Amino acid sequence: AQSVTQPDIHITVSEGASLELRCNYSYGATPYLFWYVQSPGQGLQLLLKYFSGDTLVQGIKGFEAEFKRSQSSFNLRKPSVHWSDAAEYFCAVAFTTSGTYKYIFGTGTRLKVLA
Amino acid sequence: DVKVTQSSRYLVKRTGEKVFLECVQDMDHENMFWYRQDPGLGLRLIYFSYDVKMKEKGDIPEGYSVSREKKERFSLILESASTNQTSMYLCASRPTGPGYGYTFGSGTRLTVV
Repeated sequence: AQSVTQPDIHITVSEGASLELRCNYSYGATPYLFWYVQSPGQGLQLLLKYFSGDTLVQGIKGFEAEFKRSQSSFNLRKPSVHWSDAAEYFCAVAFTTSGTYKYIFGTGTRLKVLA
Repeated sequence: DVKVTQSSRYLVKRTGEKVFLECVQDMDHENMFWYRQDPGLGLRLIYFSYDVKMKEKGDIPEGYSVSREKKERFSLILESASTNQTSMYLCASRPTGPGYGYTFGSGTRLTVV
């Protein structure tokens, strides 16, 4: 069955350090891939998306993500984390099933940033 | 700035009450969605609508219904609220096509006592 996994429930990094959040999916083909961020008490905001072309995609707020077909992964990265990046991050995939598209969200990774 | 607006940020209701959660979008999106978000469970789809007066069940529709009388408005109804429906409810909209991301509202945190 199709699925998306975010292996890390919590991650803590120091301000200024680099960040990588992991996302793995299970699907027979390349799905549409997304990363969202949710600040406390807010809805989710789209950071970036991928469905074809260059496997390194740039998003808002200085984030980027790399699609690796061989690893079925779409990891989110940021070279230098700011305190305002503390939030919960969700990976999502869209794939075809029975002629329609279905979306699945991962269970999220909560990022804590140390001053 | 495009927006999905949920009418209430916080609600407290009693068990057995009928509860209405309202959502309005100003982007002319065809598709609208209701999710609930619970710790450790991520987002779970309750209902969605791809057109006015159309609705489809999501993964957890039991105990809920929806209404979409106008394109911009999508309402979630808890017919008889129960304590296990205490949760964060997120409304979202999206254009048709898999390459589009969602635009989410800020959420309604519902507590049923």
